[in-house]
Amino acid sequence: GENVEQHPSTLSVQEGDSAVIKCTYSDSASNYFPWYKQELGKGPQLIIDIRSNVGEKKDQRIAVTLNKTAKHFSLHITETQPEDSAVYFCAASISSGSARQLTFGSGTQLTVLP
Amino acid sequence: DVKVTQSSRYLVKRTGEKVFLECVQDMDHENMFWYRQDPGLGLRLIYFSYDVKMKEKGDIPEGYSVSREKKERFSLILESASTNQTSMYLCASSPAGSSAFFGQGTRLTVV
Repeated sequence: GENVEQHPSTLSVQEGDSAVIKCTYSDSASNYFPWYKQELGKGPQLIIDIRSNVGEKKDQRIAVTLNKTAKHFSLHITETQPEDSAVYFCAASISSGSARQLTFGSGTQLTVLP
Repeated sequence: DVKVTQSSRYLVKRTGEKVFLECVQDMDHENMFWYRQDPGLGLRLIYFSYDVKMKEKGDIPEGYSVSREKKERFSLILESASTNQTSMYLCASSPAGSSAFFGQGTRLTVV
């Protein structure tokens, strides 16, 4: 099955700096890569996603890049703010029937220091 | 907005009890999922369902079963709870071919 590795497990940055979280996946059949943000006491929330036919996608301060050859993808957050502090999960997806089955990375605790 | 509602935020159960975790979604999504979240391990898929009465095993189905009698409701059942099932349980739903929307989670403690 699919295996997703995520690094780093913890990341501290100064407010205004950039943060980068990296993930690698094992199954070349994976074709959909979402990123989730989980705030304390809440369920994960989708923040951005990318499909395998695209190399980069941007949404305001958040961007995701995908390198299919190397099987890795990254989340970039620019101009970080204290409210960006949360746990971030990457995921890779293989379709099973009509269900898109997600395999998650182990998560990155991002702390933005004021 | 999509709403996925889990019946309990916190549960404490005794070893050997039968435990039911309920999840309801209001967006007519075909797919529903149960994940378990443990520190350092991320989210691991227990079971998922792509249609009423249909279910498939995920990565860690042992000790769990599920039921989907209606499209909007997906139940996770611990037949005989054990202490190693103490965890955060997350339910999610998704339309076909799209990403998942999660509930708030149920923190289950088995004593």
